[in-house]
Amino acid sequence: DADVTQTPRNRITKTGKRIMLECSQTKGHDRMYWYRQDPGLGLRLIYYSFDVKDINKGEISDGYSVSRQAQAKFSLSLESAIPNQTALYFCATSDPIYYEQYFGPGTRLTVT
Amino acid sequence: AQKVTQAQTEISVVEKEDVTLDCVYETRDTTYYLFWYKQPPSGELVFLIRRNSFDEQNEISGRYSWNFQKSTSSFNFTITASQVVDSAVYFCALSEAGYSTLTFGKGTMLLVSP
Repeated sequence: DADVTQTPRNRITKTGKRIMLECSQTKGHDRMYWYRQDPGLGLRLIYYSFDVKDINKGEISDGYSVSRQAQAKFSLSLESAIPNQTALYFCATSDPIYYEQYFGPGTRLTVT
Repeated sequence: AQKVTQAQTEISVVEKEDVTLDCVYETRDTTYYLFWYKQPPSGELVFLIRRNSFDEQNEISGRYSWNFQKSTSSFNFTITASQVVDSAVYFCALSEAGYSTLTFGKGTMLLVSP
């Protein structure tokens, strides 16, 4: 089984809808992250969490919120989706010593 | 603030050619980590290597090699005798010690044709 899983893998939604992307990990790491990938822009950090009680904004947090339900679960919400949030979203967890990040398979979100 | 620059947006080579992907970084920290990730057409991100700022030894893993030079703030990646399966987007990333968040470059798309 994969160490980091994301659901759904693909989602098409309409402008204004609320949507939640879910991430689970079995690595036992405290640190989890959400990134967004747009063509030609690389990956940009949306939010990150160093433990269940710690949530931090990343580079592009506007329009997004997160919830850390447990050590293993970190969800990303779009309260009111807009078309420019169409992107590939990655969840990751990191090694606490060497900072190597383990990525989920990605969620491809399309907002029409 | 930290920054990673991958100046090559796209590179096309013919199979068996050697190819070098460039990565230049900026950081004020003396302790940091550098990474390379591969993203094949299927979309997942595959970890290739991690290098910390105190280890300037070059590394070789099969057809892959990495050249870390602090003097030029570069961490370049060379694929020797490229293969079609090497076709992917390659990302260089930087993490400053104590933070663990990654700053990615914009990626270099490598296309290896038969």
